[in-house]
Amino acid sequence: QSVLTQPPSVSAAPGQKVTISCSGSSSDIGSNYVSWYQQVPGTAPKLLIYQNSGRPSGVPDRFSGSKSGTSATLGITGLQTGDEADYYCGAWDSSLSAWMFGGGTKLTVL
Amino acid sequence: QLQLQESGPGLVKPSETLSLTCTVSGGSISTSSYYWGWIRQPPGKGLECIGNIYYSGSTYYNPSLKSRVTISVDTSKNQFSLTLGSVTAADTAVYYCARHHSSSFYDYWGQGTLVTVSS
Repeated sequence: QSVLTQPPSVSAAPGQKVTISCSGSSSDIGSNYVSWYQQVPGTAPKLLIYQNSGRPSGVPDRFSGSKSGTSATLGITGLQTGDEADYYCGAWDSSLSAWMFGGGTKLTVL
Repeated sequence: QLQLQESGPGLVKPSETLSLTCTVSGGSISTSSYYWGWIRQPPGKGLECIGNIYYSGSTYYNPSLKSRVTISVDTSKNQFSLTLGSVTAADTAVYYCARHHSSSFYDYWGQGTLVTVSS
């Protein structure tokens, strides 16, 4: 069972905006950086967001990250069918001394 | 461009030891600020961090797996390895190797290798 809680699924139409939440606690998100990963089925995860809101080179600015208190949010604008994937948040948990991933959120672009 | 490639047996018997190696190319494993890690994903499930290692040999292990896991590094071969002992069917998963920045994110991933635990 993940310490970081994500909604199992979200959906939206092409061109629309969607947000995916990642809820944690003071010992993980509340005191450490959050990163986000995109995993297209059958492929390896890909880093989308690092240090709460940084975007690696090559990641479109349609993807954004934010953090407030013990929660983090991934935003995707201008949805494309190619954005259909599973999305995971990740953070260090200082009390467990463990790296944690969220349970993942399946994005469907209708 | 940094590349990581997992290798090892795809089938392991219950109670035996799982062993995988990750070969890093396009860059040195002896790079400051980066750890090298293993993550696994059971079929149809989410990601689980197994542990990380620094090129100096300093390690971090997931507390839930610590008693069965060893991660080692061979800087001369630009490789790091995973051993997981006393495996059961619950250890069946795709195993990924990845590079972990010290400020906490995994930026480069291998393609993953499926390991099945079955007699």
